[in-house]
Formats: sequence, structure tokens, C-alpha cells
Amino acid sequence: DTAVSQTPKYLVTQMGNDKSIKCEQNLGHDTMYWYKQDSKKFLKIMFSYNNKELIINETVPNRFSPKSPDKAHLNLHINSLELGDSAVYFCASSRDPSGNYGYTFGSGTRLTVV
Amino acid sequence: GNSVTQMEGPVTLSEEAFLTINCTYTATGYPSLFWYVQYPGEGLQLLLKATKADDKGSNKGFEATYRKETTSFHLEKGSVQVSDSAVYFCALTVNSGNTPLVFGKGTRLSVIA
Repeated sequence: DTAVSQTPKYLVTQMGNDKSIKCEQNLGHDTMYWYKQDSKKFLKIMFSYNNKELIINETVPNRFSPKSPDKAHLNLHINSLELGDSAVYFCASSRDPSGNYGYTFGSGTRLTVV
Repeated sequence: GNSVTQMEGPVTLSEEAFLTINCTYTATGYPSLFWYVQYPGEGLQLLLKATKADDKGSNKGFEATYRKETTSFHLEKGSVQVSDSAVYFCALTVNSGNTPLVFGKGTRLSVIA
């Protein structure tokens, strides 16, 4: 049973399209995150939700909109996709916002914008 | 602010060689420190952690000691295997407010037989 699952694993789409990535965790964690990993493997936080409430919103274009319908799910919707959005997007979860117990990551969604 | 600096790769070693990947940090407050590993095509997995000064985290033959005096958390393994080939990330979190995990840039390790 996958602890943090993301769908889809691969996403190839044209510039200007709108797409969504879904994430679900079955660990009972309160906090969920979206990270972006660029081609050089650098990981940058985008958003964090704690128990459905947005607690971190880094400098991200407003074309990116997260949604957390419940604490087990955190989805990411991206409007008007651009070439520079191509990256691997990771969902993660932790017991609480402190992250002191570590994060559990999903296997990633590789987004390619053409 | 909070940041992590780790040695640039790639690092290429022969099987059974000794591994050190350096990691230093800057933090406001008292951080918890982590090493994550990313195998090709996969997500990040927690390798080990330490939550206070002088703690040693260990797992799968890897070790790292939280050194407050040198603000370091170097990763070591005595004898690497081909299966250890991956990207290794040092990371920290500070237990003050909603501070997300901050990662270093990652170090790619390749072990050759």
C-alpha cells in the first residue's frame, strides 16, 4: 500500500494547456507539501497545507493553485502551462508542520511542456 | 535564514571505497538534520536523521553526526556498493513556526564495480 501516491507519473502537454496533479497520503499525517525539482535536481518548496489550511505559499506564479479537499489529499492545478514549468513535482507529507519526524515523499510527477 | 550547503558532485567511487559527502548548514534556531536519498526515477527516501547536537543518525551502513560547533552533518559510509548509486540530499528543518524542509542541492554518487 503506497504511503504517498501521486498521479499521473508522467504528463506531457502543450503550452497554454491546463493540467492537474493529484496526491493522496494514507499515513494519517496532518501536513502535506508540493515541491518542484528542476533539471539540476534542486528541490524548492511551493506550498504546504496543514489539516486543509494553507500555511506556506512560496513565490510561485498564480497560475499554480493548490487545493486540499481533506487532510489526506493535496492537488495541484496549473493554468496556462509554460515551457519553464517542465520539472518533476513531488508531493510529501509529515506528521505535523515541524517536520521533525521527516517527510514521506511520493514518487513524483514528471511534467513536460512542449 | 536557513540554508544547507553540500559538496558538489558528481562523486565517483569504486565498490568498497569509503564515502564522505560534506554538508554544512545555517539555521535560525535549533535545527533537525536529515539525509535523504533519491534513486533513479524515484522519489526521496529518508535515510537518517538527528534532532540534537552530538546525535548520530545511522541506517543501511550510512552515518552522520550532528556537529553544532562546526554546523555540519557529513554523511559517511565505510564501504559503498553499486546499489548505493543515487543522489543524496542534506536537509534541515527548524522547529519554529511553519518552516518547511530546506534541501541542499544534492550530490550524485556513482559507484562502479
